[in-house]
Parts: sequence; C-alpha cells; structure tokens
Amino acid sequence: DAGITQSPRYKITETGRQVTLMCHQTWSHSYMFWYRQDLGHGLRLIYYSAAADITDKGEVPDGYVVSRSKTENFPLTLESATRSQTSVYFCASSEEPRANEKLFFGSGTQLSVL
Amino acid sequence: GNSVTQMEGPVTLSEEAFLTINCTYTATGYPSLFWYVQYPGEGLQLLLKATKADDKGSNKGFEATYRKETTSFHLEKGSVQVSDSAVYFCALIEYSSASKIIFGSGTRLSIRP
Repeated sequence: DAGITQSPRYKITETGRQVTLMCHQTWSHSYMFWYRQDLGHGLRLIYYSAAADITDKGEVPDGYVVSRSKTENFPLTLESATRSQTSVYFCASSEEPRANEKLFFGSGTQLSVL
Repeated sequence: GNSVTQMEGPVTLSEEAFLTINCTYTATGYPSLFWYVQYPGEGLQLLLKATKADDKGSNKGFEATYRKETTSFHLEKGSVQVSDSAVYFCALIEYSSASKIIFGSGTRLSIRP
C-alpha cells in the first residue's frame, strides 16, 4: 500500500542492546524526519534528512544514528538503548516543508527499554 | 530559538460545546503555522494551516487565525463532537537552512456524549 509505514509497531528491548526502527515511504518525498513523543514534551525532532545521503541533527540526537542510502528508507538506530529512550517514535515525510507542504506521519513505534 | 506553547490539557467538554485551544509562538521572521491532530493509535495528521498574518485556516469545522500582533494561533470549533476527541498539536515552520517543523507539547481533548 502507498504511504509511510513504520516497523515494528511495538518493541521491547533491554538496556545496552542495539535497536533499529524502520521507516519506509512510497511517495519519493525528499524530506524525512524522526520524532519522539513523550508526555509533557510533545514531539521532539531527533534527526531529519533533506535527501538521500543528507542527514542532520534535530533537537535530541544523542544516542541515535540514522542513515538514508535510499530516498524511500530512513532507519533510526539506537546504538546502546537506555531507559530514557523509552518512547513512541514517529517517522514523517514531506515534499518540501518550507513550501508549506504538510508532513505525513507513520503510525508510530512504541519502544520500551527495560 | 523558535518555540510553540500550548495550553495544558486535558480539556474535557460536553458534546456541542464551544472549543478553544490556545497556542502562542516565538519566532524570528514570519513562520507558517499549523494545527495537527492525533487520533488514538495513529500518527499526526494536518488539520489546518496559515502562512501569513491574518490568514485563517479552516477544516472540518475547526478554525485558527494567524495573529502576528499577539503571536497566537488559537484553535476554535463552534460545536464539538465525540469524534473530535484527540490530541491537538500546534506547530510552526522554522525558516532557516533547515526545514524543521517545531511542535508544541500537545493538548488532549476529550468530548463527553
């Protein structure tokens, strides 16, 4: 189906483990984003990408790594998971945010780090 | 830096009541402003937007007017329905070399039948 999909939907892991959250979009949007959603903080930008092979840090990048070898994929890796990274993670894409193009969001990945 | 401040929730209203969710912003220049809505178990969806001062965005009975003098973008609806129960996020575009959207902390709205 067309759209933006995230996987897995739910993930439980232990501290110190590496975890990768997947994001795939079928529109060939240039821009992709990773946000985390926490009570009291709303959505905070972790990383974003303006195009394949171009990524940049957002507000809370520490402990995360991203890559974008293909336009349609934007995986987020937690290199060594910590309890503070327990959160709901949303991937989003957009054609050109500065042209007021809206963001399209995935359904989210709920991550629990024990 | 740029920021968005929303009224704290949760907000609980009866069906057909009038809704206002306050949003104020801090920004350099002239940002575009947005309201996104998140229904239970889903990602965010764009509800409405306004790109310049005095613009009014509207959709599904919701409205918000871009007020530059008060740096506000309050969301209103004249008569809410149970189906409007969701979390509402105010947001702005940061016009710099980065195309980042900055979100407020969200306001949870619950409508009683």
